Amino acid sequence: TQLLEQSPQFLSIQEGENLTVYCNSSSVFSSLQWYRQEPGEGPVLLVTVVTGGEVKKLKRLTFQFGDARKDSSLHITAAQPGDTGLYLCAGRTTDSWGKLQFGAGTQVVVTP
Amino acid sequence: GAGVSQSPRYKVAKRGQDVALRCDPISGHVSLFWYQQALGQGPEFLTYFQNEAQLDKSGLPSDRFFAERPEGSVSTLKIQRTQQEDSAVYLCASSLVGGQTYGYTFGSGTRLTVV
Repeated sequence: TQLLEQSPQFLSIQEGENLTVYCNSSSVFSSLQWYRQEPGEGPVLLVTVVTGGEVKKLKRLTFQFGDARKDSSLHITAAQPGDTGLYLCAGRTTDSWGKLQFGAGTQVVVTP
Repeated sequence: GAGVSQSPRYKVAKRGQDVALRCDPISGHVSLFWYQQALGQGPEFLTYFQNEAQLDKSGLPSDRFFAERPEGSVSTLKIQRTQQEDSAVYLCASSLVGGQTYGYTFGSGTRLTVV
């Protein structure tokens, strides 16, 4: 059983559309991160959020950390084919700061 | 080095064979992590080092899995008597310190196939 549940598992959209990926848990996280992974490569860090209610923007990507620090979302505006990849959320609980735990990921495919 | 380097990139092992996977972290990175990633899944935590000390090995699936980092830099993940269920991508990551807000830098992984 994954500590972090991601939804949807798979998302296929056309270039220019918007999309949102969700990451939920019943546990409280002291910090949460989002990574993107491309085939044959390791995950690459996109953002870290640490404060409940925090919103961070990275160009067309908007990340939000829930007020209770149990959930997060990633919103992409005007998606481009280069946004294609596996999006992973990962968090540290307050009692295991050394261990980053990952969700199962959301596979996003953006077609031209 | 500039990034985390893992070798070999691909390994095919016969069932029952022992394998050793190597990770060269970014120079100066204190923390080193091993993860196992099955096809279509997120990475699953295996073990964690801070310098040469193995602080958490709770994710190692069985006593056939063993990891070491004797000098606090290069790490080796060893799997004895490999089984088909060990087939996966093994990812290594390092970070400067082990604090809450630091992200990991991952290597490209070693894809292990047990036949």
